[in-house]
Amino acid sequence: AQSVTQPDIHITVSEGASLELRCNYSYGATPYLFWYVQSPGQGLQLLLKYFSGDTLVQGIKGFEAEFKRSQSSFNLRKPSVHWSDAAEYFCAVGSTGGGNKLTFGTGTQLKVEL
Amino acid sequence: EPEVTQTPSHQVTQMGQEVILRCVPISNHLYFYWYRQILGQKVEFLVSFYNNEISEKSEIFDDQFSVERPDGSNFTLKIRSTKLEDSAMYFCASSVEIMNTEAFFGQGTRLTVV
Repeated sequence: AQSVTQPDIHITVSEGASLELRCNYSYGATPYLFWYVQSPGQGLQLLLKYFSGDTLVQGIKGFEAEFKRSQSSFNLRKPSVHWSDAAEYFCAVGSTGGGNKLTFGTGTQLKVEL
Repeated sequence: EPEVTQTPSHQVTQMGQEVILRCVPISNHLYFYWYRQILGQKVEFLVSFYNNEISEKSEIFDDQFSVERPDGSNFTLKIRSTKLEDSAMYFCASSVEIMNTEAFFGQGTRLTVV
């Protein structure tokens, strides 16, 4: 069964600092990978996705993520964090066998200090 | 930009009552999903729906739950007899295809069972 681990429950960074949120997945084949962001009281917004091809993917709001098959990881990065990036971030893996069922990690709560 | 809309945003119901959560998926999407997020826990897949039938469902989606597309635009989740543990945020999502595409999520309905 597919699974996702986000080892960091809470992360605090200063505005302007760089950010890396970790995500490890377990899946038998090449997975579909996603990062979603959830602001307080809001739904889930897709930041970026990886299906195939270039392992470094660019997303919205200046985020990027790198798929590393050898490490079963899909870490999210941003070179300079803005206060508005404070939110909860979810990594998810989708089944390439079809069905589009997503398995989510437990999320990482990002706090940005001014 | 097209979006998935959910109503109501918050619903309070008494234990044992039936509730219907409503969703309007993006108009050209063909695949529909319900997920739920119990407070403080991960987002969990409930069910996927295509061509007027369930494609896949999780163990959570027992006989108390049902889904329906009553007309060309709405997609509903019915909980027949609510329990306290059904209290959660329920997210509707839709996608154009079943593979190689992302799911777009609504803002969620917070269900509180008292």
